[in-house]
Amino acid sequence: AQTVTQSQPEMSVQEAETVTLSCTYDTSESDYYLFWYKQPPSRQMILVIRQEAYKQQNATENRFSVNFQKAAKSFSLKISDSQLGDAAMYFCAYRVSGNEKLTFGTGTRLTIIP
Amino acid sequence: GAVVSQHPSRVICKSGTSVKIECRSLDFQATTMFWYRQFPKQSLMLMATSNEGSKATYEQGVEKDKFLINHASLTLSTLTVTSAHPEDSSFYICSATDRAYSPLHFGNGTRLTVT
Repeated sequence: AQTVTQSQPEMSVQEAETVTLSCTYDTSESDYYLFWYKQPPSRQMILVIRQEAYKQQNATENRFSVNFQKAAKSFSLKISDSQLGDAAMYFCAYRVSGNEKLTFGTGTRLTIIP
Repeated sequence: GAVVSQHPSRVICKSGTSVKIECRSLDFQATTMFWYRQFPKQSLMLMATSNEGSKATYEQGVEKDKFLINHASLTLSTLTVTSAHPEDSSFYICSATDRAYSPLHFGNGTRLTVT
């Protein structure tokens, strides 16, 4: 069974600084997708970034980037120039190629310190 | 972009009654929709996979007779919590995708409170 682990229940960062959220996963599949979702207090799930396992290049989306280490089964999220609006729960998620079912990690609550 | 609408956003019901939650894909057709449950300060737990025109596939430990799922069209899936009890109080979220290999789009969720 696939599992997704987020070892940091809570993180905090000073506004404008950089923070990295950790995620590891366990799978025997070779073709899969990894995602980071953000859930602000509104509870709406918002896709932050996605990574295809077959791509070696790390995905980036503006201030958000990932460090994807396939051999280590690690998928961390780096948020640069943190902003107050980044405060939220962040969930790492995994999906096998061809299967739309998502498996979520336990989440990391990110607090931005003004 | 693809939008998923979930209704109602909040519902309070009495113990023993049934509650229906709707999940609609507004601008795309979704052959598959997913229903999640989220307890306070916890992650999303997949309850079931809803397939248009066929029976839903439930995750282990989810009572299919209690959580009735109907996916009658390519744009609508419903979750009915039957004979609700206080322990069913939770946040329920649906999601859908418009095509394979696309990210899932999530509804805004429904907060169910059973008194």
